[in-house]
Formats: sequence, structure tokens, C-alpha cells
Amino acid sequence: GESVGLHLPTLSVQEGDNSIINCAYSNSASDYFIWYKQESGKGPQFIIDIRSNMDKRQGQRVTVLLNKTVKHLSLQIAATQPGDSAVYFCAGKGGTSYGKLTFGQGTILTVHP
Amino acid sequence: DAGVIQSPRHEVTEMGQEVTLRCKPISGHDYLFWYRQTMMRGLELLIYFNNNVPIDDSGMPEDRFSAKMPNASFSTLKIQPSEPRDSAVYFCASSLVPDTQYFGPGTRLTVL
Repeated sequence: GESVGLHLPTLSVQEGDNSIINCAYSNSASDYFIWYKQESGKGPQFIIDIRSNMDKRQGQRVTVLLNKTVKHLSLQIAATQPGDSAVYFCAGKGGTSYGKLTFGQGTILTVHP
Repeated sequence: DAGVIQSPRHEVTEMGQEVTLRCKPISGHDYLFWYRQTMMRGLELLIYFNNNVPIDDSGMPEDRFSAKMPNASFSTLKIQPSEPRDSAVYFCASSLVPDTQYFGPGTRLTVL
């Protein structure tokens, strides 16, 4: 039968390559952003966050870049591994939406050995 | 730390039955959030608590849904009566500050 639902963007990479996952946001008042990784059958797992007074933040193998001018966020994963295969969500919080994160639809990352 | 704990992990019930989902937040976290995830709508915030008090329940679908937090270490999400369209994965998340939320493993609910 016909599949109905969100059509998530997909990204396929080879093991060892760098991956870049993008996210656009619309609320110019957003002051906090977070990236989550969700593996099949599990809850979203915190990866890295960034506040709007920064444009770059690095973690272990991951870097988040924030471009407030064009309202764009990206997650870079270095030396991608098969274990990185998952759905990646960006989420943001507007200045007045205290406690409420708005989640993007997600991107499916598939890493081929 | 054990992280956010949810129970049951899977629930299958028949339409019209009452369903109760349970959550134990991370110790010391003052904020607790209930989300629902479906293929159609993605991840939706249903309600969140601060210091056991409901702050925003604007995401609760209808009166059939209710949530309580009787103490800092326990919350429930109840659906009565349940309907097939309630089938989804329900997540609980907690945080020390309202931004950085940590999610539990979820409860997969199937209403027949």
C-alpha cells in the first residue's frame, strides 16, 4: 500500500568519510540549538548543543556550525563509522518558548562499510 | 546514572482501554517532558513539568490524555479511553535546565 508520512532527507556515506547534516530554522529569535541522534528502537540521544552567541562548537568527532544570518545549522561528523547510522534531529528553542524545543523532521544517515 | 527510565517498553491494548505510561526522570532534574513520536507527525511535545507543576499542556491532544507528576521522581501519562490513532512511541525526557533534554527509551503503544 501507499506509504504516508514524513519523507525524511537521507544521506549515504562510506565509512571513514566526513558527513554533514544540515538544518534550517525559521525563528530568528531562536537562541539555543541541539542535535540528537536516534537509533532504531531507541530514544533521541543528545550529541551536542550550541547557543546563539556562538557560531561553532566542537565535540568528540562532531562539530556544530551555526549561521544566524541565513538561519542554518549543520552537524559535521568526522570519520563516519557504521555505528553513526541513525536519524539525526536538530531542535531549537526560541527566546520566549521557555522549555519548549521545536524539532526538525530529521535526516537519515546511512554509513556503508 | 541510569538515565530516564520508562515503563512499560511495549504496550498493546484494545480500543477503549485505559493506558498508563510511567516515567522516572534523572535524579536532580527539575524539568520533565512527555513527547509523542509518529511517522506522520514526527516528534511532538505533549506537556512539560517544572518542579512537579505542569507548565505547558498545549500539546495534549484532547481530554482523553492526562499527565501527573506526584513527586520529583515519578510521572504518568494516562490515556482513557485509548483509540487506535493513539498508537505511537511515547518518550519522556528530563533536564536540569529547560534546554538540554535527555530522553528515555520510549514506550511503544499499539491500540488495536
